[in-house]
Amino acid sequence: ELKVEQNPLFLSMQEGKNYTIYCNYSTTSDRLYWYRQDPGKSLESLFVLLSNGAVKQEGRLMASLDTKARLSTLHITAAVHDLSATYFCAVAANYGGSQGNLIFGKGTKLSVKP
Amino acid sequence: DVKVTQSSRYLVKRTGEKVFLECVQDMDHENMFWYRQDPGLGLRLIYFSYDVKMKEKGDIPEGYSVSREKKERFSLILESASTNQTSMYLCASSRPGTIQETQYFGPGTRLLVL
Repeated sequence: ELKVEQNPLFLSMQEGKNYTIYCNYSTTSDRLYWYRQDPGKSLESLFVLLSNGAVKQEGRLMASLDTKARLSTLHITAAVHDLSATYFCAVAANYGGSQGNLIFGKGTKLSVKP
Repeated sequence: DVKVTQSSRYLVKRTGEKVFLECVQDMDHENMFWYRQDPGLGLRLIYFSYDVKMKEKGDIPEGYSVSREKKERFSLILESASTNQTSMYLCASSRPGTIQETQYFGPGTRLLVL
């Protein structure tokens, strides 16, 4: 059974600081996703990581994937208040399949304070 | 842009009522999903469908059923609503067979069962 664990679950940061969110998963998968959710809103896709060593960057966020360690990281550089949100990682449950079922982590609630 | 819409943003129902949640997507996606989101538990898959009239149980199907009569529409039905079904319900869709197979989410329906 695929399990996805994120940590930390809560993260309070000061503006300008760097931090990393970790996502571990328990069985082999061929796709890992990062989503952002603002309070009261739906989920917005940030990144899709497909292969070992994949790295994607958008603004102050950078995601990476190590399939051997079954670990993805979401690194935040020089945080700003606008990044305050809940971040979810999700892992495709069907390895090589196409039904696209995702198993989600519990989310990391990020709060960036001035 | 992919658009996934849900029939209601907020619903208040009484215990024992039959509740219908509707989801419509406009991108001709084959896959559609229903999740519920609860604090501290992340997103959990209730049901998914990979074609018209096809459905598969997710992790927590008890107390729910679904209907997919048309490709663009996926309905979640609470046969007899109970207070433990108070939650945020999120619908998503995706196109199988693409490399990324990203799930796109609707705005969510916050259901309160009294």
